Amino acid sequence: GNSVTQMEGPVTLSEEAFLTINCTYTATGYPSLFWYVQYPGEGLQLLLKATKADDKGSNKGFEATYRKETTSFHLEKGSVQVSDSAVYFCALSGETSGSRLTFGEGTQLTVNP
Amino acid sequence: GAVVSQHPSWVICKSGTSVKIECRSLDFQATTMFWYRQFPKQSLMLMATSNEGSKATYEQGVEKDKFLINHASLTLSTLTVTSAHPEDSSFYICSAIKREGLYEQYFGPGTRLTVT
Repeated sequence: GNSVTQMEGPVTLSEEAFLTINCTYTATGYPSLFWYVQYPGEGLQLLLKATKADDKGSNKGFEATYRKETTSFHLEKGSVQVSDSAVYFCALSGETSGSRLTFGEGTQLTVNP
Repeated sequence: GAVVSQHPSWVICKSGTSVKIECRSLDFQATTMFWYRQFPKQSLMLMATSNEGSKATYEQGVEKDKFLINHASLTLSTLTVTSAHPEDSSFYICSAIKREGLYEQYFGPGTRLTVT
């Protein structure tokens, strides 16, 4: 079956530091890959997505590239801000699972001023 | 926009009682809604997929007689936790998609259920 593995958190960074949150997946065929963000007290929001190999999703300074060869979709940002503090979820939607999502464990990010 | 609301945002109930959670798409019609359960510091676990006018499809291991899902209209799905027990205490989140084939799910803010 499909599965998503994220790096364990929590992650604590200083403002303007570089961020990487690792995500690897297991799926048959060519899944679509997503990063969702959950700010405190709010629902999940789609941060970025990539639907085919070598696609790069980007939004709000965050980027992730769909790497088929390493089955990875690592999230990066060059300079984090305090407002980026949230929980980040990597997820996939398989070729045969329609819109159903499989989530990773989530990574808590705290950015200190 | 695409806003999904949930009501209530939190609820406390006694063991043995039932509690209903509503999920509404406020500015779009949702052909499909999903119900998730999120344990503290853990990921979201898909419980069931709800399609308007048809029976929900439950994930393996989810008791359909305990977690009743009704998708009465294109803007409303409800989850009823029947005969609740303390182990049902959790954060329940719903999401909706505008139509099948569109991958983006719009998530509600969640409902915190505590069973005493």
